Amino acid sequence: QQQVKQSPQSLIVQKGGISIINCAYENTAFDYFPWYQQFPGKGPALLIAIRPDVSEKKEGRFTISFNKSAKQFSLHIMDSQPGDSATYFCAASGGDRGSTLGRLYFGRGTQLTVWP
Amino acid sequence: NAGVTQTPKFRILKIGQSMTLQCTQDMNHNYMYWYRQDPGMGLKLIYYSVGAGITDKGEVPNGYNVSRSTTEDFPLRLELAAPSQTSVYFCASIREPSTDTQYFGPGTRLTVL
Repeated sequence: QQQVKQSPQSLIVQKGGISIINCAYENTAFDYFPWYQQFPGKGPALLIAIRPDVSEKKEGRFTISFNKSAKQFSLHIMDSQPGDSATYFCAASGGDRGSTLGRLYFGRGTQLTVWP
Repeated sequence: NAGVTQTPKFRILKIGQSMTLQCTQDMNHNYMYWYRQDPGMGLKLIYYSVGAGITDKGEVPNGYNVSRSTTEDFPLRLELAAPSQTSVYFCASIREPSTDTQYFGPGTRLTVL
């Protein structure tokens, strides 16, 4: 059972446009929601993360929007650039023993392509 | 700091062979994890460790074994390789789960033929 559901599977955006990736979760005990960026042949790297006590977090061109009641969170990439072309994973942590173990539950990933 | 290092980068195994994927971190992190990544499936947790001498199963542990004799090293053992174990394997570590995020190694791409 997929604990975190991510959509879309792939996304094509024009340079300068907005990229939006959505995730949903069921476990209300999750308390940490990171987004990872992965380039081909590399390991995932943390991009931005949020905790449920805030509804939005912005770092540069990257923003996480968090809707606790809907159990959804999304990544917005403003002014998308060709260098943003990568695979993006949402994840969640926490719940029961999870918060003490740091284990992450990942979405299936979104392959973003930004055309110049 | 080198961070999290993994060896080898690539490996081809025949069915039934065994091998050990190495993972080392130099950040003095207590918590370490092994994930496998399959196309379109995200990352699945295989095993994890909360400190030297302590390991536990994740979501997909069958066919794998781990050990943690030191804080730095967390090797993953495949005893009888099967085609279903063809995947990219990532090791990750974290200092404290409540405050930090996981740092990932560069991965090992394993093919079982």
